[in-house]
Amino acid sequence: GAVVSQHPSWVICKSGTSVKIECRSLDFQATTMFWYRQFPKQSLMLMATSNEGSKATYEQGVEKDKFLINHASLTLSTLTVTSAHPEDSSFYICSAISSGVSYNEQFFGPGTRLTVL
Amino acid sequence: DAKTTQPPSMDCAEGRAANLPCNHSTISGNEYVYWYRQIHSQGPQYIIHGLKNNETNEMASLIITEDRKSSTLILPHATLRDTAVYYCIVRVAGGATNKLIFGTGTLLAVQP
Repeated sequence: GAVVSQHPSWVICKSGTSVKIECRSLDFQATTMFWYRQFPKQSLMLMATSNEGSKATYEQGVEKDKFLINHASLTLSTLTVTSAHPEDSSFYICSAISSGVSYNEQFFGPGTRLTVL
Repeated sequence: DAKTTQPPSMDCAEGRAANLPCNHSTISGNEYVYWYRQIHSQGPQYIIHGLKNNETNEMASLIITEDRKSSTLILPHATLRDTAVYYCIVRVAGGATNKLIFGTGTLLAVQP
């Protein structure tokens, strides 16, 4: 199946700093990527939909100025957590849709664990 | 909001079949049933999907009732590596912007 990677796999940062997480589709072009957040023992919560070359669409309650999403190419989307605080500590997961698959299946990355001290 | 209902947890003995139920009584005619699983601290993994016919692949079988209001995911010979949270999701297929909305899922614990 199609492969999606994330970098870094984990990151620890100080409160107030910004952190960038990359999501790459390695062997396919992804016109649409999604960003999820998952707190311990909870389900995945969709944060935003990222379309290549256009602004991201954020879910209700997600601050677009805090979670900056850029989808500059068909294989790369980035999520920047600006001025991170301890409550932003979470598992961030991206997924990508392969336009080449008839049913537009979503492929998930391995996730990035963010810890804000 | 998620459109499916699943039991929060289930146990299964290693080597036996694991049958995971899902209720989706409000499913629309153009919505598919998808199953994903998430092993601890990893990204979700696609398992199988179907519209109205039963489906089988190398990982599992999907049984959908005739009225499509419920389905069952079957892992024919569960192993310890199948311990994970299993998510049943309904969505329209074929649209590039269609989102996957995850419910709470079922934590399947395969016991040795």
